[in-house]
Amino acid sequence: GAGVSQSPRYKVAKRGQDVALRCDPISGHVSLFWYQQALGQGPEFLTYFQNEAQLDKLGLPSDRFFAERPEGSVSTLKIQRTQQEDSAVYLCASSPLAGPPYEQYFGPGTRLTVT
Amino acid sequence: SQQGEEDPQALSIQEGENATMNCSYKTSINNLQWYRQNSGRGLVHLILIRSNEREKHSGRLRVTLDTSKKSSSLLITASRAADTASYFCATAQGGSEKLVFGKGTKLTVNP
Repeated sequence: GAGVSQSPRYKVAKRGQDVALRCDPISGHVSLFWYQQALGQGPEFLTYFQNEAQLDKLGLPSDRFFAERPEGSVSTLKIQRTQQEDSAVYLCASSPLAGPPYEQYFGPGTRLTVT
Repeated sequence: SQQGEEDPQALSIQEGENATMNCSYKTSINNLQWYRQNSGRGLVHLILIRSNEREKHSGRLRVTLDTSKKSSSLLITASRAADTASYFCATAQGGSEKLVFGKGTKLTVNP
């Protein structure tokens, strides 16, 4: 079956531009996560949705970062006025269950480069 | 900030040898998971071990967990070139839904 998909796979933005990153989770998965992975590092948690409700957004690095999942399926991570330090791979993951984390299914990521 | 530290940061072995990677973490956990990431790809879940378990096997993978030492190890037996990847441990803390990842071990298996 189809896994988690993300688009675009690569994005180059000039400093100050806004970007929108899309995540299509596995159909029926309740939980959706966004992570940021800097080069040579492990993923760092950004935010979590249970269906359409954003239950944890403490990992978002600044108020320039905004995420939504309006219908409890597709999610969008938006970054306003991008800065060079936003350059990273943004990973989306979904999980079929809510509550204490079970295994998460990851998408291939979007590599964002801010020039 | 990241919870865990994997050790070693990089490991290079010959095909057929065993590979052992270690993970240490800082706080009490609900479970600990290991993931693999091939270059330029997303993460793939390998195995989950709960805080009340000490050892778990899956195919050529063996994971141990020592909650008193806040550490875990991942053993890959009879390694193959296709095992070349970065390996991350991730912890689930208390009732939190998020995973906290370490920095990873980069494994290279030479044919």
